[in-house]
Amino acid sequence: GAGVSQSPSNKVTEKGKDVELRCDPISGHTALYWYRQRLGQGLEFLIYFQGNSAPDKSGLPSDRFSAERTGESVSTLTIQRTQQEDSAVYLCASSRQGAPDSPLHFGNGTRLTVT
Amino acid sequence: AQRVTQPEKLLSVFKGAPVELKCNYSYSGSPELFWYVQYSRQRLQLLLRHISRESIKGFTADLNKGETSFHLKKPFAQEEDSAMYYCALSSGGYQKVTFGIGTKLQVIP
Repeated sequence: GAGVSQSPSNKVTEKGKDVELRCDPISGHTALYWYRQRLGQGLEFLIYFQGNSAPDKSGLPSDRFSAERTGESVSTLTIQRTQQEDSAVYLCASSRQGAPDSPLHFGNGTRLTVT
Repeated sequence: AQRVTQPEKLLSVFKGAPVELKCNYSYSGSPELFWYVQYSRQRLQLLLRHISRESIKGFTADLNKGETSFHLKKPFAQEEDSAMYYCALSSGGYQKVTFGIGTKLQVIP
């Protein structure tokens, strides 16, 4: 079946603009995760969803970042008033609910460049 | 808090040499450990999980709770093993998954 799909694959925006990143998880996967990967860095946890609720938002770097999920499916990550330090690859992953060792399935990411 | 440490950002080995990618974790409960791999121009994908006690592409990893380690090993490196390797920890169930910084494995022909 189809894997995790992220759009756009690349986004260039001017400092101060808002951007919206989209993630379509694998059908039936109720857990959804957002990570950020800056150049030369590891994966930085941002937020995860169980269904449509987000039990852990601890990774969101500032109040400029928000995320939502609807219909236990699509999720959007919104960054308001973008800054140059927001430039990174934003990765989305999904997994099945309930399986204790359920692995994450990743999308190809959205490469965000803030100029 | 849960934490994953991968002490080496880059590991270079010759083809045919043994490989060990180190991973240490910090977690007070019973962790679930994973290794993920990202080959050039491909998406991040699962390599193996400790609960399965499996060998994938010749790689194995043993969870050592006493040393809080989950090192990834392979007896003979192949050129196609060159990739970024990430160690990850999950507290199970519906909790977040924490990744290490990653180790770039470079296999020299």
